Amino acid sequence: GQNIDQPTEMTATEGAIVQINCTYQTSGFNGLFWYQQHAGEAPTFLSYNVLDGLEEKGRFSSFLSRSKGYSYLLLKELQMKDSASYLCAVRDGDYKLSFGAGTTVTVRA
Amino acid sequence: GAVVSQHPSWVICKSGTSVKIECRSLDFQATTMFWYRQFPKQSLMLMATSNEGSKATYEQGVEKDKFLINHASLTLSTLTVTSAHPEDSSFYICSARGVLDYEQYFGPGTRLTVT
Repeated sequence: GQNIDQPTEMTATEGAIVQINCTYQTSGFNGLFWYQQHAGEAPTFLSYNVLDGLEEKGRFSSFLSRSKGYSYLLLKELQMKDSASYLCAVRDGDYKLSFGAGTTVTVRA
Repeated sequence: GAVVSQHPSWVICKSGTSVKIECRSLDFQATTMFWYRQFPKQSLMLMATSNEGSKATYEQGVEKDKFLINHASLTLSTLTVTSAHPEDSSFYICSARGVLDYEQYFGPGTRLTVT
């Protein structure tokens, strides 16, 4: 099975940077994903890491260290619309995703 | 990008009745779809993997006779919650596996309330 841990809540100011950490222990690893989910809506894809290192996509970046079972999602230049839940998910060899409980990010003006 | 739809977006039913939820890939063919359930303030939990033309694979603890999955075509998978009870009230989300390795497209979800 998969055990995925991420903080429950984080608060930051508009324009700031926030880093959401995710640690995992898995029985199989075939990629790590970050999704954004607004309340009552389905998750939307943010990033995908399968090799170690940093993937940058605009204001969002994601990092992976497979040896440490660790990833983070970096959100830069925070905007009010970034207030949402951010889900860390690990994929196994059967393409099944296991999700963490999600980190609720609140952006304050 | 690829679009996955779900119908209905919300449904209220009485305890003991059955409810069918449809998941469609609108502009691509999906040989594999996934069904998730999400309780309030909790994460998505995978219920089953739906493969076109074959039986669904259920995760441990998910009753296959209660949650019937049919993947009759490359663009449609259905989840039927049979003899629904209040504890089945949840947000049900489907996803479809895309062509590229990292792609998995989520539907907008169906909120089920059983009274």
